[in-house]
Amino acid sequence: GAVVSQHPSRVICKSGTSVKIECRSLDFQATTMFWYRQFPKQSLMLMATSNEGSKATYEQGVEKDKFLINHASLTLSTLTVTSAHPEDSSFYICSASGVDTQYFGPGTRLTVL
Amino acid sequence: RKEVEQDPGPFNVPEGATVAFNCTYSNSASQSFFWYRQDCRKEPKLLMSVYSSGNEDGRFTAQLNRASQYISLLIRDSKLSDSATYLCVVMPLSGGYNKLIFGAGTRLAVHP
Repeated sequence: GAVVSQHPSRVICKSGTSVKIECRSLDFQATTMFWYRQFPKQSLMLMATSNEGSKATYEQGVEKDKFLINHASLTLSTLTVTSAHPEDSSFYICSASGVDTQYFGPGTRLTVL
Repeated sequence: RKEVEQDPGPFNVPEGATVAFNCTYSNSASQSFFWYRQDCRKEPKLLMSVYSSGNEDGRFTAQLNRASQYISLLIRDSKLSDSATYLCVVMPLSGGYNKLIFGAGTRLAVHP
């Protein structure tokens, strides 16, 4: 299957700082990428749909000014968590849209102290 | 009501057992269905797609009942390596973005 990478895999930061997470599709071009968040023992929740060359589409309840998404090329989307707080600590996973399904990155575990 | 509902488990079964997971979805216009597997602290990985006619992949059999909006996964001859969380996933009609809706998952623990 297709390969999607995420960087960093783990980040610990202080409250109030911003954290950028990169998602790359390594062997195909992805016009659409998705960003999910997963809290412990809960399902993946879609945060936003990232479209190359245009603004992201955010799900209801997700603050677009807090979770900045940039999809500048067909192989890279970035999620920036601005002014992170402890309640933002979670597992953030990106995926790239294929023909019939999505290919997931390995995830980024964010811990905000 | 959640869009995709699953029994959270856990299902604790011995090696060699047969185990079945169920899932219901609320959007009757959903077009594609999948089972994903997620290991602890890892990303989900596609296990299999689910087709209306039912489909089998080795020890795994998936069934879809569109009238009842019900999806199932059967695992035969369970292995220790099958221990994971199984996610029922639905793709609604959404205008081309392949948006996926995940259930909360059913945990399976296979013991010797």
